[in-house]
Amino acid sequence: AQKITQTQPGMFVQEKEAVTLDCTYDTSDPSYGLFWYKQPSSGEMIFLIYQGSYDQQNATEGRYSLNFQKARKSANLVISASQLGDSAMYFCAMRDPTSGGSYIPTFGRGTSLIVHP
Amino acid sequence: ETGVTQTPRHLVMGMTNKKSLKCEQHLGHNAMYWYKQSAKKPLELMFVYNFKEQTENNSVPSRFSPECPNSSHLFLHLHTLQPEDSALYLCASSQGWQSQYGYTFGSGTRLTVV
Repeated sequence: AQKITQTQPGMFVQEKEAVTLDCTYDTSDPSYGLFWYKQPSSGEMIFLIYQGSYDQQNATEGRYSLNFQKARKSANLVISASQLGDSAMYFCAMRDPTSGGSYIPTFGRGTSLIVHP
Repeated sequence: ETGVTQTPRHLVMGMTNKKSLKCEQHLGHNAMYWYKQSAKKPLELMFVYNFKEQTENNSVPSRFSPECPNSSHLFLHLHTLQPEDSALYLCASSQGWQSQYGYTFGSGTRLTVV
């Protein structure tokens, strides 16, 4: 079963506007971590933001915020004031315990974001 | 400048060739990972090394052979690959298993098997 679901293969946003990228996850463990990564055309995966399952507040990092809705198992990324340089693939990932007791992140299929001038 | 360096950036190899991918990190991290990224598929974890010891092998075919001589270097040795192995191979590192600071990725090696 897919652990991370990103339902938006592609998104378009006007420069300076906000955009929300959707992510839902599936785990039965109470302890887990959620990540968002950005992958520009160069290929490098850039860490953006982290949310722990026990964190009371939504994570924020500059223009990035994570809308964490635990009961809905949702961890949407909000990018405020979009910039042309935000055009990239965005991946949601979750780290939860494996059967062996280690913690390995699994990734969604990604959302392609294009920012229009 | 990324803290994780992968070489080469691009590689074209025949199915009978033997080649190696290299990954190097100077971040002081103690865990290193190999991921495969194919078109239209999620990122697939291949191998995990923690303090130079392999701790995960995600059912990867034996034509992929990892090597971790120390905590800063990770290799992926390739031999008799198939065209479906063509993909972007990403190396990552982290400070331990449960790092909340994310995983630092390299820029990847774009591999084409002909």
